[in-house]
Amino acid sequence: DAKTTQPPSMDCAEGRAANLPCNHSTISGNEYVYWYRQIHSQGPQYIIHGLKNNETNEMASLIITEDRKSSTLILPHATLRDTAVYYCMLRPGGGGSNYKLTFGKGTLLTVNP
Amino acid sequence: NAGVMQNPRHLVRRRGQEARLRCSPMKGHSHVYWYRQLPEEGLKFMVYLQKENIIDESGMPKERFSAEFPKEGPSILRIQQVVRGDSAAYFCASSPPGTSGSSTDTQYFGPGTRLTVL
Repeated sequence: DAKTTQPPSMDCAEGRAANLPCNHSTISGNEYVYWYRQIHSQGPQYIIHGLKNNETNEMASLIITEDRKSSTLILPHATLRDTAVYYCMLRPGGGGSNYKLTFGKGTLLTVNP
Repeated sequence: NAGVMQNPRHLVRRRGQEARLRCSPMKGHSHVYWYRQLPEEGLKFMVYLQKENIIDESGMPKERFSAEFPKEGPSILRIQQVVRGDSAAYFCASSPPGTSGSSTDTQYFGPGTRLTVL
């Protein structure tokens, strides 16, 4: 029962911004949007997360729409090393069993030279 | 600060043998999680442990699989009498102490152990 929808694949030219969309139309008020990526044959790498406000860190920016039904992960200057599968997921705030990360199929981002 | 360490990185076993996968969490982290990734699939949660305690093993197969996180030493995922269907990548993640599962409780993953059962 997927709560997020992502395109299966995207291409991006090296040096350009990569904008990865994620739809989460049934998001609950206390759910955070998390992004991880998995480079081939490596473990998942945490990128960023947010609740309502846009967030930025040294890796990426996260833009969440006002209604919170979708978000976009932005890699401002993609490099070849950013080629990976990018996972968007929802995590409820607070306790409970929200430690169980749910990885869907993600988006395979291919950065081309 | 060293990241999550897992060993071995690759493990080959014949059917019926035992597999032991080790995970050393990041320094200062006291929560450990194990996930399994079958070929061409996403990661699936298996078990969540704190030091000397299994908090949630709802994702673990009922038989042949066990996990521990002793007071000293790494966390161990043990698979007895392996079968070909156990072939997968097994990832360990850790998070800092505090309220696990909170929105700020980010899990950091190790490089994984790729188990191949012949």
